[in-house]
Amino acid sequence: NAGVMQNPRHLVRRRGQEARLRCSPMKGHSHVYWYRQLPEEGLKFMVYLQKENIIDESGMPKERFSAEFPKEGPSILRIQQVVRGDSAAYFCASSPLPYEQYFGPGTRLTVT
Amino acid sequence: DAKTTQPTSMDCAEGRAANLPCNHSTISGNEYVYWYRQIHSQGPQYIIHGLKNNETNEMASLIITEDRKSSTLILPHATLRDTAVYYCIVRVAGVNNAGNMLTFGGGTRLMVKP
Repeated sequence: NAGVMQNPRHLVRRRGQEARLRCSPMKGHSHVYWYRQLPEEGLKFMVYLQKENIIDESGMPKERFSAEFPKEGPSILRIQQVVRGDSAAYFCASSPLPYEQYFGPGTRLTVT
Repeated sequence: DAKTTQPTSMDCAEGRAANLPCNHSTISGNEYVYWYRQIHSQGPQYIIHGLKNNETNEMASLIITEDRKSSTLILPHATLRDTAVYYCIVRVAGVNNAGNMLTFGGGTRLMVKP
C-alpha cells in the first residue's frame, strides 16, 4: 500500500504567481489534512477535508488560499498571488477514519 | 485540545533506551495521547497512541500514568536513525468534525549519540 504522495516535492514560484500543491491520500483514506511548516517553526494545521467537503478550515489564511478534495483525484491546495512569506513546507496527511494521520513527504515551496 | 509540556531536548546513547516524557495535566477523559516524530525535514511519522492503557508496537512503547496526567514514550534500543523531534499530542479521536487536527507544540529534540 503506497503511502501518502505529494507533488511536486519542490516548487519555485515568483511573487504574484499561483502555486498548486497536490496530495494523493493512501488507498482507502477519505480524510485529508493540510499543514504548513514555516522555516524553523512547528507544523500548523490549515484545513481538514473529506471527499467533496471542507470540514474545518480554521487554520487557512483568509485570502489567497483554498483547498479542495474532489470525488475523483487528489486533494489540491491552491495559493494565489504568492508572496515571500508563503515559502514553507506544506504537508498533507490522510486517515481512513479520524484517528491517526499518516503524512506525506511534503512540498517545499520557495517564492522568489 | 489539552496542552502538552515536553523537554526541549534530550540525548541518548546508541543502543540504550530513550525515555521521552510528556506532561498533559489538563487532558480530558475522551482525549488520546499521540506521539509523532519528524526526522530532519521529512513528513511527521506516526509512532503510537493510547487512551489509558499502556501500548506497545514495533516502534515503541507508551506508558500512561494512572491519572493520565503524564506519559512516557520509550524507544527500547535507540539507533542513530531515531534522532528526530518527537511530538506528544493530545486530541479527541474518532470525531468526524471540526477540531480534528493535530496541534504540534515544540516537541523534544532527541539526539542519539554513538
